[in-house]
Amino acid sequence: DAKTTQPPSMDCAEGRAANLPCNHSTISGNEYVYWYRQIHSQGPQYIIHGLKNNETNEMASLIITEDRKSSTLILPHATLRDTAVYYCIVSLNNNDMRFGAGTRLTVKP
Amino acid sequence: DAGVTQSPTHLIKTRGQHVTLRCSPISGHKSVSWYQQVLGQGPQFIFQYYEKEERGRGNFPDRFSARQFPNYSSELNVNALLLGDSALYLCASSSLGWTGDYEQYFGPGTRLTVT
Repeated sequence: DAKTTQPPSMDCAEGRAANLPCNHSTISGNEYVYWYRQIHSQGPQYIIHGLKNNETNEMASLIITEDRKSSTLILPHATLRDTAVYYCIVSLNNNDMRFGAGTRLTVKP
Repeated sequence: DAGVTQSPTHLIKTRGQHVTLRCSPISGHKSVSWYQQVLGQGPQFIFQYYEKEERGRGNFPDRFSARQFPNYSSELNVNALLLGDSALYLCASSSLGWTGDYEQYFGPGTRLTVT
């Protein structure tokens, strides 16, 4: 079973920020938080990952709470092409990458 | 630069047959992982290989096996196919083997249909 809990679906208006939450209350001290997304029928695409500190790259920002029990992926200016299933995963390494059902994000014009 | 490539793209097999799926990682990547994605679900981890050695195995029966070659490409083999093996099989490569601070790059997958 996945170690994370995500809402099954979310909507976001085009051009607005999309904030996708993830609960990982049982995360251990050396497990990373990863975010991937999967656009219909394609392989998952890496977005961002972090351990304790907040992270930002050209795609998104990752905000991890101080107790590390939850995190939020932020897409600052969502576009229609960001419509996808977003997966939050906690893992020590790629021997144990457990994808849950993810959040289906729909960006609407 | 070429990404992760997988072959074939689609495959139809009948129950009881054997199938071999192939994956070529990104140049320079030494780790390959395999995942099964059943329709409507997230990917499920099957195997991870690093430097030609198995480093991890998910909860799959012994009908599933894999190997990694000296050029770091990999094959996933499934024997005695069942209808439930119908899925998208994904391969992912990464530069590191078992540390947590890295990202994986996925291929487009092989769609296997068992009839």
